[in-house]
Amino acid sequence: SQKIEQNSEALNIQEGKTATLTCNYTNYSPAYLQWYRQDPGRGPVFLLLIRENEKEKRKERLKVTFDTTLKQSLFHITASQPADSATYLCAGQETGANNLFFGTGTRLTVIP
Amino acid sequence: NAGVMQNPRHLVRRRGQEARLRCSPMKGHSHVYWYRQLPEEGLKFMVYLQKENIIDESGMPKERFSAEFPKEGPSILRIQQVVRGDSAAYFCASSPPGTGFYNEQFFGPGTRLTVL
Repeated sequence: SQKIEQNSEALNIQEGKTATLTCNYTNYSPAYLQWYRQDPGRGPVFLLLIRENEKEKRKERLKVTFDTTLKQSLFHITASQPADSATYLCAGQETGANNLFFGTGTRLTVIP
Repeated sequence: NAGVMQNPRHLVRRRGQEARLRCSPMKGHSHVYWYRQLPEEGLKFMVYLQKENIIDESGMPKERFSAEFPKEGPSILRIQQVVRGDSAAYFCASSPPGTGFYNEQFFGPGTRLTVL
């Protein structure tokens, strides 16, 4: 069956370090991957979208990569801050499909 | 510009009752999506609607669940004869016309349904 796995349920890092979150997919061929941030009790907030023909996308302190050979996307937050603490969701979409397919998320905690 | 609005934010129902969840998309948005999030699970797609049309309901349970997005007014997700397993957070998202999932979706704050 199709799977999007975010293999770290929780990740703790020290403030100022780079956080790297992983999203792997199996039996699935997303043409697009999106990353969202979700805070407790709130809806997800869109961060970045990357297409399968793009290797890397950046936005301020955020960077996302898409490796179709490894079937993996990496999401980086540089110079992390306690305010970056949240759950980060990876979501994929296949060409022609209407639905977004979400991973279960990684809960990031940035320790001051 | 107000964001996606959902109401109620919290809804408590007894088994067998009906639950109606409302979603007003962002101004100018004509695509609405509903997702369900169970505790410790990811968001699961349920249905994708445009005004007066259900485009994709492949994620909707076959029974008891229905959705609509009328020409006027909010989108409604309706759950009939609720059971305890329906307890979850239900999120609505919207996107502007001319886009689908290829662009970002704007999510509402969710409705947390508790079935007693």
